Amino acid sequence: KAGVTQTPRYLIKTRGQQVTLSCSPISGHRSVSWYQQTPGQGLQFLFEYFSETQRNKGNFPGRFSGRQFSNSRSEMNVSTLELGDSALYLCASMSGTGYTEAFFGQGTRLTVV
Amino acid sequence: EDQVTQSPEALRLQEGESSSLNCSYTVSGLRGLFWYRQDPGKGPEFLFTLYSAGEEKEKERLKATLTKKESFLHITAPKPEDSATYLCAVQAWDNQGGKLIFGQGTELSVKP
Repeated sequence: KAGVTQTPRYLIKTRGQQVTLSCSPISGHRSVSWYQQTPGQGLQFLFEYFSETQRNKGNFPGRFSGRQFSNSRSEMNVSTLELGDSALYLCASMSGTGYTEAFFGQGTRLTVV
Repeated sequence: EDQVTQSPEALRLQEGESSSLNCSYTVSGLRGLFWYRQDPGKGPEFLFTLYSAGEEKEKERLKATLTKKESFLHITAPKPEDSATYLCAVQAWDNQGGKLIFGQGTELSVKP
């Protein structure tokens, strides 16, 4: 059974640019959540998508956005990048119905210079 | 506000020296508590889910327990390969969907 796939694994961007990250959940899972991990703040929830709809949202500025496609794959976009956006971005896959565990991908390491 | 606090921040053990990691939580209504293991540069690896006070789960040298205010991850006779950061997270009933609130983690180092 394939796990959660995130692409790309590493990215280097310049301040002011925008970036798109991709996440393919476990087959059959309909919920995808995104988290930002930094040494100072730990793992912080960005948002969750379920059946192509945003179901929950964390306390991040509007520069952070996402979407989910009909095949449950999700993308996260960050516009007007700032140095502080440098982080490990993690995607979590859940079945989305009932209460189940969240399984994480390996993450995308974003560096903003 | 829902909150998770883990202690200690870092723990150094000798191989075979058993210990416990603590996760204290404040949540409006606990739907579930998760334990994860994270190796450097990788995503968190799921270990356990606990749902109600008194529940215990075991996996190899790890045992997780849950009370109404905290959870413990007991490590028995650890080996160097158990070195990692251990994360605790909670999900609340008043959250729609799968939002997890994480603690800062405990960085465990096991020396041979």
